[in-house]
Amino acid sequence: DTEVTQTPKHLVMGMTNKKSLKCEQHMGHRAMYWYKQKAKKPPELMFVYSYEKLSINESVPSRFSPECPNSSLLNLHLHALQPEDSALYLCASSPPGGQGIREQYFGPGTRLTVT
Amino acid sequence: DQQVKQNSPSLSVQEGRISILNCDYTNSMFDYFLWYKKYPAEGPTFLISISSIKDKNEDGRFTVFLNKSAKHLSLHIVPSQPGDSAVYFCAASERYGGSQGNLIFGKGTKLSVKP
Repeated sequence: DTEVTQTPKHLVMGMTNKKSLKCEQHMGHRAMYWYKQKAKKPPELMFVYSYEKLSINESVPSRFSPECPNSSLLNLHLHALQPEDSALYLCASSPPGGQGIREQYFGPGTRLTVT
Repeated sequence: DQQVKQNSPSLSVQEGRISILNCDYTNSMFDYFLWYKKYPAEGPTFLISISSIKDKNEDGRFTVFLNKSAKHLSLHIVPSQPGDSAVYFCAASERYGGSQGNLIFGKGTKLSVKP
């Protein structure tokens, strides 16, 4: 099973709404990531969780709040977003670094539109 | 400053011929390289990777070549098929340093394979 699942697939929210994006993997991966991707751009790293602890926050505004409830789940809580935050939000996971494998496996993404 | 560069935004190839996608990097600490394929509105799909201790890795129709002295890698697809039409991202990571294990993506090359 090399699948990373993300819900919802599409999300439209107003600037005053609070919503959450969810990501799940059952591959035993201990690193999980949130990326943001705008059209015709590469994925841009937002957060990294390693063994359920936040290890990297790439200077992301506080209106994005990540959470890792357990080793299989990753959430991204959204509040007071701006229209420019509209993008494809991708979750990824990778095996523990000691295995020498650094491939990240991506989910299908959540297409977020902020109105 | 872009550490991973894909200088060709697009490439058009005839079905059955070879597709060659190129990638250059500037960070000599990168020691692991990956290629991802992405369809519109989907997450990137891992294709093939190569460690810096090798100069070639092959998987079916896909071969990645690494030239460390030139800081250059390429992805060869032979034979190309219409289903290969997608955006291809080159990515790199370094084992040590501030971004250890994280992927740095190029801007992508859009491959079109014409029947």
